[in-house]
Amino acid sequence: KAGVTQTPRYLIKTRGQQVTLSCSPISGHRSVSWYQQTPGQGLQFLFEYFSETQRNKGNFPGRFSGRQFSNSRSEMNVSTLELGDSALYLCASSLEATTDTQYFGPGTRLTVL
Amino acid sequence: AQSVTQPDIHITVSEGASLELRCNYSYGATPYLFWYVQSPGQGLQLLLKYFSGDTLVQGIKGFEAEFKRSQSSFNLRKPSVHWSDAAEYFCAVAPYGGSQGNLIFGKGTKLSVKP
Repeated sequence: KAGVTQTPRYLIKTRGQQVTLSCSPISGHRSVSWYQQTPGQGLQFLFEYFSETQRNKGNFPGRFSGRQFSNSRSEMNVSTLELGDSALYLCASSLEATTDTQYFGPGTRLTVL
Repeated sequence: AQSVTQPDIHITVSEGASLELRCNYSYGATPYLFWYVQSPGQGLQLLLKYFSGDTLVQGIKGFEAEFKRSQSSFNLRKPSVHWSDAAEYFCAVAPYGGSQGNLIFGKGTKLSVKP
């Protein structure tokens, strides 16, 4: 069974631009979560989606948004990029995210210049 | 607010030596507890998790962790470290009865292994 895939793996943008990251969960998984990883702040929860509905949201500004499609694939969007948005963005999927193991993708490395 | 503390930023052990990585959490009730490992350039891999029951949990790659309610701790151990264990280790919590999908992570402990 294929693991969690994230595209693109690397991305370079400039300040003020917007970016969309994609995550394809493991087949059959209905829950997708997103995390931001930076050297200073560590791993921080962005949002969680289950069956196309946002179930939880972390403490990030409104520039960060996401969605989930009917096939469970998820996208996250960051508008008006800032230098501080440079990070590794990780996606994780699980069957239902209550007692089920989360499987993480390799991440998308975003660099904002 | 919930929080996770990993007091050791970087630990170096010799190959074959035992390992203990510390994790303390702050939460009103016993949360779900996890240990993940991240190799350079990789995502996170779950080593083990604790929901309830036996306080000594066995995981993959020979790791185990012990939940101590009185100390709000969930320390990770391995009796004999291998060079391939060099990586960064993260302790995480999720609200009891809630979703694992919004984990709170510690800042991580980087493990180096000396030959």
